[in-house]
Amino acid sequence: GENVEQHPSTLSVQEGDSAVIKCTYSDSASNYFPWYKQELGKRPQLIIDIRSNVGEKKDQRIAVTLNKTAKHFSLHITETQPEDSAVYFCAASKDSSYKLIFGSGTRLLVRP
Amino acid sequence: SAVISQKPSRDICQRGTSLTIQCQVDSQVTMMFWYRQQPGQSLTLIATANQGSEATYESGFVIDKFPISRPNLTFSTLTVSNMSPEDSSIYLCSVERRDRSYNEQFFGPGTRLTVL
Repeated sequence: GENVEQHPSTLSVQEGDSAVIKCTYSDSASNYFPWYKQELGKRPQLIIDIRSNVGEKKDQRIAVTLNKTAKHFSLHITETQPEDSAVYFCAASKDSSYKLIFGSGTRLLVRP
Repeated sequence: SAVISQKPSRDICQRGTSLTIQCQVDSQVTMMFWYRQQPGQSLTLIATANQGSEATYESGFVIDKFPISRPNLTFSTLTVSNMSPEDSSIYLCSVERRDRSYNEQFFGPGTRLTVL
């Protein structure tokens, strides 16, 4: 079955710097890759996603890139702010099942 | 996005007992899923709740321990049976919204379960 690995497990950046979180997946049939942000005590919130027919997607300060050949996708957050501090999860799914397989999560701390 | 509610929001239970968690959506959805999130961990899929048929369980999860119902397209329940302290987790339902061919999933607020 699908396996998603996520790195790093923790990331501390200075406010205004960029943050990059990386994930790799094992199942070449996976074609949908969402990213979720989970604040303490809250539910995971979908922040951006990408499908396998697209190499990059941007939404304001957030971008996701996908390399299908390497089975690798990344989340990029620019001009980080303290409110970006949270745990971020990547995930992968495919049309045959739609179930999400999650990475282990990255705890991002943005220092003021 | 769909409005998803879960009941109860939290509970403290004695070992050996069972708890049924409800997930209600404000619109009809095709797919509903149940996840478990142990303290400080990622989300693990328990099962896919299929409307009108038996749920599809992931490896490591069985129907006797986690029976699931899905009587219609807006409601599902997950029961945690014969609980032990190892079942202490947050249980979340999610629903899939197919919009613009994107299979977005949205999560309910979760049920925080503590087993003593």
